[in-house]
Amino acid sequence: DQQVKQNSPSLSVQEGRISILNCDYTNSMFDYFLWYKKYPAEGPTFLISISSIKDKNEDGRFTVFLNKSAKHLSLHIVPSQPGDSAVYFCAARRSTNTGNQFYFGTGTSLTVIP
Amino acid sequence: KAGVTQTPRYLIKTRGQQVTLSCSPISGHRSVSWYQQTPGQGLQFLFEYFSETQRNKGNFPGRFSGRQFSNSRSEMNVSTLELGDSALYLCASSSADRALIAGANVLTFGAGSRLTVL
Repeated sequence: DQQVKQNSPSLSVQEGRISILNCDYTNSMFDYFLWYKKYPAEGPTFLISISSIKDKNEDGRFTVFLNKSAKHLSLHIVPSQPGDSAVYFCAARRSTNTGNQFYFGTGTSLTVIP
Repeated sequence: KAGVTQTPRYLIKTRGQQVTLSCSPISGHRSVSWYQQTPGQGLQFLFEYFSETQRNKGNFPGRFSGRQFSNSRSEMNVSTLELGDSALYLCASSSADRALIAGANVLTFGAGSRLTVL
């Protein structure tokens, strides 16, 4: 049961343009949402997060938007750079009395074309 | 400070064998989680350890097990390997020591252990 879904396996964008990566989730109990970036032969690295009580969080070129009613979030990268080419994973956190559990999407491979 | 260290980085096993993977978390991090990454499946949660106790477990068969030592280092073991166990196994550590904390509990991942089962 995939509770976090990234329906686009890949995305290609021209350098300088906007990259929009999308993510859908099913569990309304998630309290935080995160984006991770992964280069080949490396582990995922944390990029940006957003609380479920917010609808937008911005960090430099990266902005995450959350639409709770639609159970949808998106990551915007503006302007896109060739170094942004990587696999992006959307993740959601559920807090319980026994700790935090994270659920990850299947990833979207972003290619920024110079 | 040093990041999350996983060993070995690459290994090849045959069906029926068993394997043990090791993870050293960031100093001071008490929570260690394990994930399996396969093409098309994303990162599947295996289990999480905190203070030597398994706190959460994903939907994997009993062949997958783990433990955590008093220094927070963790190992995971897969017995009776199957071809489908071929994957990248990722370990992540975090500093959270309470279930509900302000701010996102960020996982810091290691580079992973690439297991190939022949």
